Amino acid sequence: GQQVMQIPQYQHVQEGEDFTTYCNSSTTLSNIQWYKQRPGGHPVFLIQLVKSGEVKKQKRLTFQFGEAKKNSSLHITATQTTDVGTYFCAGLDSGGSNYKLTFGKGTLLTVNP
Amino acid sequence: DTAVSQTPKYLVTQMGNDKSIKCEQNLGHDTMYWYKQDSKKFLKIMFSYNNKELIINETVPNRFSPKSPDKAHLNLHINSLELGDSAVYFCASSQAGVRIGYGYTFGSGTRLTVV
Repeated sequence: GQQVMQIPQYQHVQEGEDFTTYCNSSTTLSNIQWYKQRPGGHPVFLIQLVKSGEVKKQKRLTFQFGEAKKNSSLHITATQTTDVGTYFCAGLDSGGSNYKLTFGKGTLLTVNP
Repeated sequence: DTAVSQTPKYLVTQMGNDKSIKCEQNLGHDTMYWYKQDSKKFLKIMFSYNNKELIINETVPNRFSPKSPDKAHLNLHINSLELGDSAVYFCASSQAGVRIGYGYTFGSGTRLTVV
């Protein structure tokens, strides 16, 4: 079955440093979504990427979807303490069900003030 | 107004008991889901319903039985609880599946502890 791998599992940075998490799928994706889960909270939808090579920005966050639609990345510029949380990618298999989003295991970001 | 609400927020129970978790969404979404998040934060889909119809049943033990009385509600009943069932259970909803382009809206979760 489809697998979505995410690295690194953990990342600790000093406030102001950049952060990147990478996501790789074993199958070609129809689209990929990113979520953020604060400690003790629930996942919150950030963005969806659909097109091959797509790049989207949300303030200090930059999201990319690979040309082959099998990988994606999230980059945060100049991290702040409010960025702390677990970032999940979630992919929809292009040949699979419309209703089955497969999540990566997440990257836990901690920020030292 | 809470978009996706789950009850209870916490549930502590003994092995062998039967328990239910309720979920309601007021977003008018067609699709609802149950996800299980284990201690390592891995989010794994359990069930997906679209307009009250079961779409995804992801090899979950028969002890878990979802029910969707209408498209705004999705409940989860668990029989004969086991220690390994301890986890956070998230309900989520979306507009007509994922392909159309809508993200999931998650509830705040139910932390189930089986002792």
